[in-house]
Amino acid sequence: AQKVTQAQTEISVVEKEDVTLDCVYETRDTTYYLFWYKQPPSGELVFLIRRNSFDEQNEISGRYSWNFQKSTSSFNFTITASQVVDSAVYFCALSGTSLGGGADGLTFGKGTHLIIQP
Amino acid sequence: DTGVSQDPRHKITKRGQNVTFRCDPISEHNRLYWYRQTLGQGPEFLTYFQNEAQLEKSRLLSDRFSAERPKGSFSTLEIQRTEQGDSAMYLCASSPPTGQGDYGYTFGSGTRLTVV
Repeated sequence: AQKVTQAQTEISVVEKEDVTLDCVYETRDTTYYLFWYKQPPSGELVFLIRRNSFDEQNEISGRYSWNFQKSTSSFNFTITASQVVDSAVYFCALSGTSLGGGADGLTFGKGTHLIIQP
Repeated sequence: DTGVSQDPRHKITKRGQNVTFRCDPISEHNRLYWYRQTLGQGPEFLTYFQNEAQLEKSRLLSDRFSAERPKGSFSTLEIQRTEQGDSAMYLCASSPPTGQGDYGYTFGSGTRLTVV
């Protein structure tokens, strides 16, 4: 069975601070995909990144960066110089080899509620 | 194409009634998924279609739930004899065929169901 753990239920920081959201996963698949989604108050899940299990290079996209470490089964997400608009719930997710979701579809963590205070 | 559309956005129903939700995926996406999200939790996978074929169903999908995608385009999710525990946000997502596009699943805004 697959599992995604986001241990941080809620994080509150002041604008312009850097913040890291943790994600730890469990899977028996040798090939898998990891995702991060943002869910603002409107409710729609916004895709941020997909990373496959063979690509351990860190990725940077503007103020966002992701650190994938297979040795610790972690896929952490850092926002640099946070802004109020970054306030949302962020979900880490895992899927199996089929990318159709395997036997259980995308497995999501419980999410981290990020609050950026002005 | 403006994304994945779901209708209605909100539904309030009395316990025991049947409800049906609709999802229109991105037109070139052949894969369609239904998820359920309760308050304070991440979405949970319910079922998956590739074209018109329903290929996977979660054990969460009781016999009161049925999903269809008759022509491989839009999909419907029906809940019969609703219970208060069915109250949740029902999310639909679509994705392109394998190897086409690198942007993962695209989710709709969801249908929020409240059973009273």
